[in-house]
Amino acid sequence: KQEVTQIPAALSVPEGENLVLNCSFTDSAIYNLQWFRQDPGKGLTSLLLIQSSQREQTSGRLNASLDKSSGRSTLYIAASQPGDSATYLCAVMRSGAGSYQLTFGKGTKLSVIP
Amino acid sequence: GAVVSQHPSWVICKSGTSVKIECRSLDFQATTMFWYRQFPKQSLMLMATSNEGSKATYEQGVEKDKFLINHASLTLSTLTVTSAHPEDSSFYICSAIGQLNSNQPQHFGDGTRLSIL
Repeated sequence: KQEVTQIPAALSVPEGENLVLNCSFTDSAIYNLQWFRQDPGKGLTSLLLIQSSQREQTSGRLNASLDKSSGRSTLYIAASQPGDSATYLCAVMRSGAGSYQLTFGKGTKLSVIP
Repeated sequence: GAVVSQHPSWVICKSGTSVKIECRSLDFQATTMFWYRQFPKQSLMLMATSNEGSKATYEQGVEKDKFLINHASLTLSTLTVTSAHPEDSSFYICSAIGQLNSNQPQHFGDGTRLSIL
């Protein structure tokens, strides 16, 4: 059974700092890995999707890496802003015919202090 | 970008009431929709996978008679929590995917907070 772990559970940083969020998964048989953002009481916004054959994806100040063999991914946020405060969720899509299901971690709650 | 609308966003009702939650894909045809449940400070847990025109596939431990899922069209799936009890109080989120391939991200609704008194 796939398990996804995110460390740390919570993180507080001053504005402008660069930061790294970590995600690990136990089963490397995945199609892709996604990072999402969730604001309090809201749904999920997809940030980055990395295919299993890729090593990293970038979007603006965000960079996500994937090391499938070791079961790890990182989300790097450059020059953090108060608007980045949210919970960041990592999810893996398991491979296998017809699945396309996501397994989520518990998230990292990020607070960026002005 | 792709938009998924979920309604209602918040429901408070008495124990024993049945509650229907709608999930609509507004600008694409969703061949598959997923229903998740999220308890406070916990990860999203997949409840069921819904394919248009066929019966939903439920995850282990999820009662199909308790959580009725209907996916009658390519743009609408509904989740009905039958005879809801306080332990069913949770945050329910749907997601939708257009083409079934690993390149496509899932698009999520804004969720429905269900509170059973």
